[in-house]
Amino acid sequence: AQSVTQPDIHITVSEGASLELRCNYSYGATPYLFWYVQSPGQGLQLLLKYFSGDTLVQGIKGFEAEFKRSQSSFNLRKPSVHWSDAAEYFCAVGAWSGAGSYQLTFGKGTKLSVIP
Amino acid sequence: KAGVTQTPRYLIKTRGQQVTLSCSPISGHRSVSWYQQTPGQGLQFLFEYFSETQRNKGNFPGRFSGRQFSNSRSEMNVSTLELGDSALYLCASTLPGTGYTDTQYFGPGTRLTVL
Repeated sequence: AQSVTQPDIHITVSEGASLELRCNYSYGATPYLFWYVQSPGQGLQLLLKYFSGDTLVQGIKGFEAEFKRSQSSFNLRKPSVHWSDAAEYFCAVGAWSGAGSYQLTFGKGTKLSVIP
Repeated sequence: KAGVTQTPRYLIKTRGQQVTLSCSPISGHRSVSWYQQTPGQGLQFLFEYFSETQRNKGNFPGRFSGRQFSNSRSEMNVSTLELGDSALYLCASTLPGTGYTDTQYFGPGTRLTVL
């Protein structure tokens, strides 16, 4: 079964500083990888996704992520954080079940706080 | 194009009652998945429906059930509510394809509080 680990529960950065959120996954095949963001009381918004091809993927709001197969990682980065980026970030791996269904397995999330 | 909608947004019930939550997927999306989000367990997969059939189910007791209608709208039901069922229930819709298009788009969720 697949699993996702986000080692950092809470990260605090200053506005304008760079950001890297870590994500490690466990999956036997080529993974489909996602980063979602959740603001308080809201649903999940897709930031970016990786299915195949270029290992550096660009997303919305200036985020990017790099897939490293050798390290089973899919870290999220942003060169300059804005106060509005404060939220909780979830890494997820998508996988097919034997019944032909598809589901996401999420990490526990990393809460990002931004100091003005 | 309208996003995924969930109703109601907030719900308060007491132990032992049952509850039904509704999800309307993005137009044209035929797969609907449900997730439970709690502070302790995080986001956990409940079940997935496609063309009115449940294709996959997570590790939840039989008190949790769902269904999907011919217009792809889905409902989930929780019977005999327990305090631990208090959570944010999220619905996600997908346009199933070859895998490349299997991106799940989430609704705002229904916040269920069980007293």
